[in-house]
Amino acid sequence: KQEVTQIPAALSVPEGENLVLNCSFTDSAIYNLQWFRQDPGKGLTSLLLIQSSQREQTSGRLNASLDKSSGRSTLYIAASQPGDSATYLCAVRGVGTGGFKTIFGAGTRLFVKA
Amino acid sequence: GAGVSQSPRYKVAKRGQDVALRCDPISGHVSLFWYQQALGQGPEFLTYFQNEAQLDKSGLPSDRFFAERPEGSVSTLKIQRTQQEDSAVYLCASSPSLETGREQYFGPGTRLTVT
Repeated sequence: KQEVTQIPAALSVPEGENLVLNCSFTDSAIYNLQWFRQDPGKGLTSLLLIQSSQREQTSGRLNASLDKSSGRSTLYIAASQPGDSATYLCAVRGVGTGGFKTIFGAGTRLFVKA
Repeated sequence: GAGVSQSPRYKVAKRGQDVALRCDPISGHVSLFWYQQALGQGPEFLTYFQNEAQLDKSGLPSDRFFAERPEGSVSTLKIQRTQQEDSAVYLCASSPSLETGREQYFGPGTRLTVT
């Protein structure tokens, strides 16, 4: 059974710092891994989607890497800003369940202090 | 519309009442997903539709939960005889094709509170 774990659960950093959020998963048979952002009371906004054959994806100040064999992904945020404060969720879409189920981690709550 | 929409955004139900939650996916999107998100947790998969066919309902927590998508577009998640443990945010997502590698686009969710 696929399990997704995100570390740390919460993180507080001063503005301008570079930071790394970690995601690990137990079953490496995945179609893709997706990083989302969720603001309080809102739905999920997709940040980056990495296919199982890819190693990383970049968008602006965000870079996500995927090491499928070790079951790990990291989300790197450069030069953090107060507007980056949100919960970041990692999700994997597994092969074993026909590709229908997406399994989420519990998220990392990020607070960037001005 | 431009994105996935859900209604109502907030719903308060007395324990034992039936509720119906609506999802309007992005026009033309083939795949539709429902998730349940408890406070402080990540979303948990409930069910998946490919057009009007419900291909996976393994995440539905009990037989009080029922989902349909009769014409392959709008979907409704119905919860009968609501219980306090059903209180959560219910999220809907759609995806443009049958390919398992495609991105999911989420709606804003319906926050259900059962009193």
